[in-house]
Amino acid sequence: GNSVTQMEGPVTLSEEAFLTINCTYTATGYPSLFWYVQYPGEGLQLLLKATKADDKGSNKGFEATYRKETTSFHLEKGSVQVSDSAVYFCALSERDGGATNKLIFGTGTLLAVQP
Amino acid sequence: EAGVTQFPSHSVIEKGQTVTLRCDPISGHDNLYWYRRVMGKEIKFLLHFVKESKQDESGMPNNRFLAERTGGTYSTLKVQPAELEDSGVYFCASSRLAGALPPSFGPGTRLTVL
Repeated sequence: GNSVTQMEGPVTLSEEAFLTINCTYTATGYPSLFWYVQYPGEGLQLLLKATKADDKGSNKGFEATYRKETTSFHLEKGSVQVSDSAVYFCALSERDGGATNKLIFGTGTLLAVQP
Repeated sequence: EAGVTQFPSHSVIEKGQTVTLRCDPISGHDNLYWYRRVMGKEIKFLLHFVKESKQDESGMPNNRFLAERTGGTYSTLKVQPAELEDSGVYFCASSRLAGALPPSFGPGTRLTVL
């Protein structure tokens, strides 16, 4: 079945460091791909998305490119801030032939940015 | 527009007790989803309502879990009796159109079963 694999954390970086969180997926068909973020004490927020191959999603300085050839959707940011400390989830959509578009999530990666 | 709200934010119960979680979707959103994250693992789909009807409940783990959405507005998820492995964070999400992505998520309810 469909699945998402993302790098285990925690990832600890200093402020202004470059961030990469790896995400690969297994899917039949052509899913949409998402990154969600959960800041401490808050709910899940959509960070960015890409709906087809070679699409680049971007938001708040974060980027991810839908790579069909490598089945990847790695999250990157050029210069992280303390406020980026959160848990990041990679996800794909799975349409089961009905009207339900389930989201399949990875295990989440905790990012801790130190000043 | 108010977001998806969930109540309570945190619940601590003993094994064998009953707990009811509530979700209020965004007004006008016919589609309501429940997901949960157990023991720091991946977030998993539980079920999908369209208005008051269960469209897909393939992710419900067992018959100790009962979800309802009377009147097609708010939804409740009851766990009876609760077991230790039910501990985790339960998320609710909603969307306006059937199958629309991405849904809007609530803050989650953290359930701890002792």
